[in-house]
Amino acid sequence: GAGVSQSPRYKVAKRGQDVALRCDPISGHVSLFWYQQALGQGPEFLTYFQNEAQLDKSGLPSDRFFAERPEGSVSTLKIQRTQQEDSAVYLCASSRDREVSTFGSGTRLTVV
Amino acid sequence: GDSVTQMEGPVTLSEEAFLTINCTYTATGYPSLFWYVQYPGEGLQLLLKATKADDKGSNKGFEATYRKETTSFHLEKGSVQVSDSAVYFCALSPDTGRRALTFGSGTRLQVQP
Repeated sequence: GAGVSQSPRYKVAKRGQDVALRCDPISGHVSLFWYQQALGQGPEFLTYFQNEAQLDKSGLPSDRFFAERPEGSVSTLKIQRTQQEDSAVYLCASSRDREVSTFGSGTRLTVV
Repeated sequence: GDSVTQMEGPVTLSEEAFLTINCTYTATGYPSLFWYVQYPGEGLQLLLKATKADDKGSNKGFEATYRKETTSFHLEKGSVQVSDSAVYFCALSPDTGRRALTFGSGTRLQVQP
């Protein structure tokens, strides 16, 4: 597609539930990033892939967060045993190597 | 660690007014600097960038100059329009090879007709 596609757009989860958020990057983009944006704040880096390799996961806030990109294209961010503090917009971005990233519209996760 | 500080909003202006949104950063070396804009219901869009000291980024009437001596990258526009109403984020990418962006907390701009 023409842009970075994220699904679902909105997700409501009960506390303790597991969720999976999907990102379809722009075709041919080798770099893929996940960011977390809390309400009223700027995005914060979570993790970075180059093709299928996860090169940086220093931003993942806990071991409940897990990301994968098994074939170097679509990526999934999984959050286990969701907590209220996980409520945020999760943004995916992709780029050709060392170029500026293009962002998706995000998935808004609300944990109730 | 790296950080970006932006002026708090909301900034409310009348149409055709002059805009300045302040941004300062803390980082070692020579990071690349960016302004992103987020319109309601949409994703972040790159507005402009500068990759070295004294560079000026510009796009759609917006400008920002990379000032190494004051570690600043203030966003300016000479005459704002209602359609410029959005949230603006200043960000940096370090020169260490680490690809992650560090963002400021954002500044909401409201332009009234």
